[in-house]
Amino acid sequence: AQTVTQSQPEMSVQEAETVTLSCTYDTSESDYYLFWYKQPPSRQMILVIRQEAYKQQNATENRFSVNFQKAAKSFSLKISDSQLGDAAMYFCAYRRDMYSGGGADGLTFGKGTHLIIQP
Amino acid sequence: GAVVSQHPSRVICKSGTSVKIECRSLDFQATTMFWYRQFPKKSLMLMATSNEGSKATYEQGVEKDKFLINHASLTLSTLTVTSAHPEDSSFYICSARRQSSYNEQFFGPGTRLTVL
Repeated sequence: AQTVTQSQPEMSVQEAETVTLSCTYDTSESDYYLFWYKQPPSRQMILVIRQEAYKQQNATENRFSVNFQKAAKSFSLKISDSQLGDAAMYFCAYRRDMYSGGGADGLTFGKGTHLIIQP
Repeated sequence: GAVVSQHPSRVICKSGTSVKIECRSLDFQATTMFWYRQFPKKSLMLMATSNEGSKATYEQGVEKDKFLINHASLTLSTLTVTSAHPEDSSFYICSARRQSSYNEQFFGPGTRLTVL
């Protein structure tokens, strides 16, 4: 079974600064997807960024970027120029590639990191 | 595009009653939907995978007779919590998979269930 570990229950950063959220995972599969989701107080899950395991290039989405280290099974999220609206719970998630074999492709989530933005 | 709705957003029920939660994909067809449960200040746990026209696949430890899932159409899946007890109180979130190169899953806004 796959597991996702987020070792930082809470992180705090000054507005406009940069913060990195950590995530490690364990899997025996070679094809999969990794995600970072944001969950604000409204509880609506919002996709922040996606990484395909077969791609060596790290994904970026505006102020958000990842450091994907496949051999180390590490997938950290960097948020640059932090804004007050970035405050939320952030979940790292794993999803198998549904075309690479049998089995469902529901998401496996880490426990989350509560990100606080200090004005 | 890719909007998923859930109804109701909040429900309070008495212990022993059954509650039905609906998950709809509003602007796309979803052959597969997923149901997650989230305890307060905790992560999301996958409960089951719902496939249109077939039986749901439940994760280990999830009682299928207690959490009945029906996926009768390509835009609707329902989760029925039968004979609810206070320990079933939780936040239930569904997601729907849109067929594409990424097969991305889109989340509903969730349903807060409180069992008295």
